Amino acid sequence: GNSVTQMEGPVTLSEEAFLTINCTYTATGYPSLFWYVQYPGEGLQLLLKATKADDKGSNKGFEATYRKETTSFHLEKGSVQVSDSAVYFCALRLMNTGFQKLVFGTGTRLLVSP
Amino acid sequence: EAGVAQSPRYKIIEKRQSVAFWCNPISGHATLYWYQQILGQGPKLLIQFQNNGVVDDSQLPKDRFSAERLKGVDSTLKIQPAKLEDSAVYLCASSLGRDPGGEEKLFFGSGTQLSVL
Repeated sequence: GNSVTQMEGPVTLSEEAFLTINCTYTATGYPSLFWYVQYPGEGLQLLLKATKADDKGSNKGFEATYRKETTSFHLEKGSVQVSDSAVYFCALRLMNTGFQKLVFGTGTRLLVSP
Repeated sequence: EAGVAQSPRYKIIEKRQSVAFWCNPISGHATLYWYQQILGQGPKLLIQFQNNGVVDDSQLPKDRFSAERLKGVDSTLKIQPAKLEDSAVYLCASSLGRDPGGEEKLFFGSGTQLSVL
């Protein structure tokens, strides 16, 4: 089936540390891949995306590269801030009758301390 | 631009009771989704509407869950009767649909947190 596996959290870092959140996927065909972020008390927001192999998505200092050979889409940031504390969801998109169908991972909570 | 509005923010009920959640999508968004997010899990799609028609309800437990979007704008999700395992955050999302490049951007509401005791 189609699924996304993320590293379990929480991930606890000090400000300015390097961040990696691992994400691997299983999918039929070639999905689009996404990272969503959920800040406390808010809805999910799209952070970045990649639609084909070797694409790199980037936003707000975060990056992720679509690796078809390893079926991975790991999220990285060179220097995290306290304001990055949130839950991060990796997701893939399946085309179902022409409409979007997102399959999410379980989420990884990031806690950044000053 | 106003975001996706959901209410109530929190709801606590006893098992076997009924509950309803409301969602008002962003103005002009034809596509509307309801997701269920159980604690420690990722959101799971329950139902997808295109205007007032159902596109995908394959994961909706139809014996107890129902949803409608009668005028193609706001939507209601109902659970009757509720079970303990229905405790979750219910998320509504909307979109304009796919752009010419085939991409679709979803906008999520803050969700309704349901506790079934």
